[in-house]
Amino acid sequence: DQQVKQNSPSLSVQEGRISILNCDYTNSMFDYFLWYKKYPAEGPTFLISISSIKDKNEDGRFTVFLNKSAKHLSLHIVPSQPGDSAVYFCAASAGGTSGSRLTFGEGTQLTVNP
Amino acid sequence: EPEVTQTPSHQVTQMGQEVILRCVPISNHLYFYWYRQILGQKVEFLVSFYNNEISEKSEIFDDQFSVERPDGSNFTLKIRSTKLEDSAMYFCASRRKGQGTDTQYFGPGTRLTVL
Repeated sequence: DQQVKQNSPSLSVQEGRISILNCDYTNSMFDYFLWYKKYPAEGPTFLISISSIKDKNEDGRFTVFLNKSAKHLSLHIVPSQPGDSAVYFCAASAGGTSGSRLTFGEGTQLTVNP
Repeated sequence: EPEVTQTPSHQVTQMGQEVILRCVPISNHLYFYWYRQILGQKVEFLVSFYNNEISEKSEIFDDQFSVERPDGSNFTLKIRSTKLEDSAMYFCASRRKGQGTDTQYFGPGTRLTVL
């Protein structure tokens, strides 16, 4: 199942700089996209989401951009902090279905160095 | 802030045994989900549950799996006869009903180890 793909398994950035995490999808029925952050031995924690009717959503240091024509979304974290070090998952759902299951990407391990 | 809780945090069982994983979703949420993550793999959808019935299930969710909401607060996942390949982290999630409420909130997970 490759409907949601995160091509970079890891990303390392310096504290204070921008982190950009990328995600691609193939299913045109997806209309809601989410980013989750996950620490080892914990569940995914919701960060930010975007509906397909928008191309940008911002919440504090986190901004998600959606390019529907390219079927691509990205998460920007500015400025990055050491506490942001975690695995970041992109997920998508097709809201028209009754259950709205989430389809996840593989995750990207972000390391923010002090 | 309300959160999804799961028990136990870690369950060890012998192959062929039945296990029940428990979840308490966020109290005003109406949709409930189970996902799992096998070590080194993606988080995978298992089943969604709404209005006391399964609304969607994946191909993973075969006859060995069942879900139940036995009372107003708990949501359980039962695996009747566990296999080695059922070893994984199992996550429960819930979400509200209504427009603009597509966000699912996850519990901390139960690590299931089948020996």
